[in-house]
Amino acid sequence: SAVISQKPSRDICQRGTSLTIQCQVDSQVTMMFWYRQQPGQSLTLIATANQGSEATYESGFVIDKFPISRPNLTFSTLTVSNMSPEDSSIYLCSVGGAVNEQFFGPGTRLTVL
Amino acid sequence: SQQGEEDPQALSIQEGENATMNCSYKTSINNLQWYRQNSGRGLVHLILIRSNEREKHSGRLRVTLDTSKKSSSLLITASRAADTASYFCATNSGGYQKVTFGTGTKLQVIP
Repeated sequence: SAVISQKPSRDICQRGTSLTIQCQVDSQVTMMFWYRQQPGQSLTLIATANQGSEATYESGFVIDKFPISRPNLTFSTLTVSNMSPEDSSIYLCSVGGAVNEQFFGPGTRLTVL
Repeated sequence: SQQGEEDPQALSIQEGENATMNCSYKTSINNLQWYRQNSGRGLVHLILIRSNEREKHSGRLRVTLDTSKKSSSLLITASRAADTASYFCATNSGGYQKVTFGTGTKLQVIP
């Protein structure tokens, strides 16, 4: 299994600003995944981040709003840009395991005022 | 978008009782997984069942899979207050690691 940390654990931001969330894994992984969980809802995949290539975004998510970096095999960042109150959510990163199970970070709880 | 739905949306039981949650999905799968989430924190992987398996056990957890009905159930036996959490099923359909989550069941176990 992988151990994943995220920073920050929570933040309160003003509308119109941007927040960058960091995700660190304790082992090298090919794919990292970013999810959004809106209040009281399930998880929705934002994008898949592969090292050395552009992230692959799911329908409804665009790079301008959620730029992702993947500089090496243990680290990724997700930026939530030009935030509005609708972006208030928990953002989670995960990595896949040997049988495609997911290991999750503790999440970043974002509140946009 | 969600692959499928879970029911019930919420379940409240007494400690010691069994809890059953159901998951339905829409497309063919490689495997189906169950996760637990405590109070909006990170998810914890509980158990994985492959498409060619019908039943799997892990401690107090029992998972069944019926691919003809595209459904799965999670049974937690002899529940404890610490089992209070949200439970999500997730399906893996493609050749790589992406999974799609169901809508979730919120379980409350009353001491």
